[in-house]
Amino acid sequence: GEDVEQSLFLSVREGDSSVINCTYTDSSSTYLYWYKQEPGAGLQLLTYIFSNMDMKQDQRLTVLLNKKDKHLSLRIADTQTGDSAIYFCAESYGQNFVFGPGTRLSVLP
Amino acid sequence: GAVVSQHPSRVICKSGTSVKIECRSLDFQATTMFWYRQFPKKSLMLMATSNEGSKATYEQGVEKDKFLINHASLTLSTLTVTSAHPEDSSFYICSARAGAGGPADTQYFGPGTRLTVL
Repeated sequence: GEDVEQSLFLSVREGDSSVINCTYTDSSSTYLYWYKQEPGAGLQLLTYIFSNMDMKQDQRLTVLLNKKDKHLSLRIADTQTGDSAIYFCAESYGQNFVFGPGTRLSVLP
Repeated sequence: GAVVSQHPSRVICKSGTSVKIECRSLDFQATTMFWYRQFPKKSLMLMATSNEGSKATYEQGVEKDKFLINHASLTLSTLTVTSAHPEDSSFYICSARAGAGGPADTQYFGPGTRLTVL
């Protein structure tokens, strides 16, 4: 079946860049998403990328998509303590929407 | 951006009682709403998909008689946990989708409801 994988943990120092990686299996994905979940809260849509794009930049966030390798990444520049959260990537195709397990980002002072 | 609310945010109930959780899309019409369950430090598990005016589609292993879903309007879906037991304690999150295809396919999530069954 469809599968989305992420590394479960990432630690970075405040001010450094964070790169969160995601791989997916379904080549018919139309959109790929990054969501952020802070403790005890729901998911907040951060950004999305259409499957025919390679890159999308939005302020401190850069999304890179390698469709050939089915690899998606989220880069957060100048990571702040407020960026500490769980980041979920997700793919959508038709009516289906599949989430990865989430990467817990810890930002160290 | 699109806003989805959930009510209540936290509920504690006794074993055997039923609990209703509401999910509302505040500034858009949601043709489809989803209900997820999230276990501690785990990803989201899709429980069911509901389209306005029709019966919900439940994922394999989810008891439809225990988790009753009603999607009576384009802005409201409810999840009722019937005869709740301690193992039903979890974080329940709803999401709403405006349409099909394109960014409208994006799911917007509610803030979640923490259910604790004593």
